[in-house]
Amino acid sequence: GAVVSQHPSRVICKSGTSVKIECRSLDFQATTMFWYRQFPKQSLMLMATSNEGSKATYEQGVEKDKFLINHASLTLSTLTVTSAHPEDSSFYICSARDPRGWTYEQYFGPGTRLTVT
Amino acid sequence: GENVEQHPSTLSVQEGDSAVIKCTYSDSASNYFPWYKQELGKRPQLIIDIRSNVGEKKDQRIAVTLNKTAKHFSLHITETQPEDSAVYFCAASTLRAETSGSRLTFGEGTQLTVNP
Repeated sequence: GAVVSQHPSRVICKSGTSVKIECRSLDFQATTMFWYRQFPKQSLMLMATSNEGSKATYEQGVEKDKFLINHASLTLSTLTVTSAHPEDSSFYICSARDPRGWTYEQYFGPGTRLTVT
Repeated sequence: GENVEQHPSTLSVQEGDSAVIKCTYSDSASNYFPWYKQELGKRPQLIIDIRSNVGEKKDQRIAVTLNKTAKHFSLHITETQPEDSAVYFCAASTLRAETSGSRLTFGEGTQLTVNP
């Protein structure tokens, strides 16, 4: 199936700093990518929908100035956590659908474990 | 918006037994219902999905049933094996004509433990 990668897989940063997470579709072009956050022992919660060439759509309660999303190309979306705080520590996962496929399967990246100290 | 509820939150079965996980959804416009298996620290893996024009789908030991009228769908795993132990999530989505995919709303998850 299609492959979605994320980088980095793990990152530790100090409170107040910013962290950028990359999500790439390796063998297909994705006009839309989705960013999820998953706290320990909880479900995946959609944070925002990343749209290539236009502004991201944020879910209610997600601060767009804190979680900056840039979808500058058809294979890359980035999520920047600005002024990170310990409560931002979480597992961040992106997903995308391969438009070439005949299924509706969304392919998830391997996730990024963010720890803010 | 869509709300998906999943039960039970934990399920423990003996190897070889069947496991059933149930989900309900609120948005009658939802038309795509995938199920994911997630192991600790890993990405969710699609194990089966169903569209709203189908009532049941089966893939070897895994089956999913959908009742659109009642807005609920279920995952059935037969002949469970220890390697089936993981967290399972149901999800719902509204697919439209565009091909870039639609947002998924996930259930809370079920921790399945298969005891040898």
